[in-house]
Amino acid sequence: DSGVTQTPKHLITATGQRVTLRCSPRSGDLSVYWYQQSLDQGLQFLIQYYNGEERAKGNILERFSAQQFPDLHSELNLSSLELGDSALYFCASSVGQAGWELFFGEGSRLTVL
Amino acid sequence: AQRVTQPEKLLSVFKGAPVELKCNYSYSGSPELFWYVQYSRQRLQLLLRHISRESIKGFTADLNKGETSFHLKKPFAQEEDSAMYYCALVGGYQKVTFGTGTKLQVIP
Repeated sequence: DSGVTQTPKHLITATGQRVTLRCSPRSGDLSVYWYQQSLDQGLQFLIQYYNGEERAKGNILERFSAQQFPDLHSELNLSSLELGDSALYFCASSVGQAGWELFFGEGSRLTVL
Repeated sequence: AQRVTQPEKLLSVFKGAPVELKCNYSYSGSPELFWYVQYSRQRLQLLLRHISRESIKGFTADLNKGETSFHLKKPFAQEEDSAMYYCALVGGYQKVTFGTGTKLQVIP
């Protein structure tokens, strides 16, 4: 499958812990976007990378960080986890920087206990 | 700041009835608007974009700059249209902002 892949699909951890979510974009896509979907909150934009560089930032907490590597995969690091961080985290990729179709992964469901 | 508002969390219509999913946006520049759809157990995917002025699966959406709206319409709802629909705006700094989504439920 050459689509967007996200790992892990499910993750359960405790408050105060740190986790890393990984995203591999579609082959040829240079942009990676991260979104958080909590109950009733819709898709909250976190951050976007284009070809390894940060391009846009949304409501991303200081406890969260991300990066895009030379092979274009991206990682979202969430630290000092709180109960409220429990959510579905989506990664999407696109060919260009903006205005292009976004292709979404299946998401990583994080549960913080 | 850019913002997308979808006022309805849930919209229930009978099969064969017209559908209108509302989307209003706030953005000072010239926006690019999209509708994305997520069917049950499937990934979020693009439905249509305003630039293309296309009709996909019988759905159309017209950008109304005066009313800052981009409502999604279909004259006759089908059961397979049941899904979550998200309106999205590409505005400044390449930021892609999504609305909170509307769940469309088509009643047989």
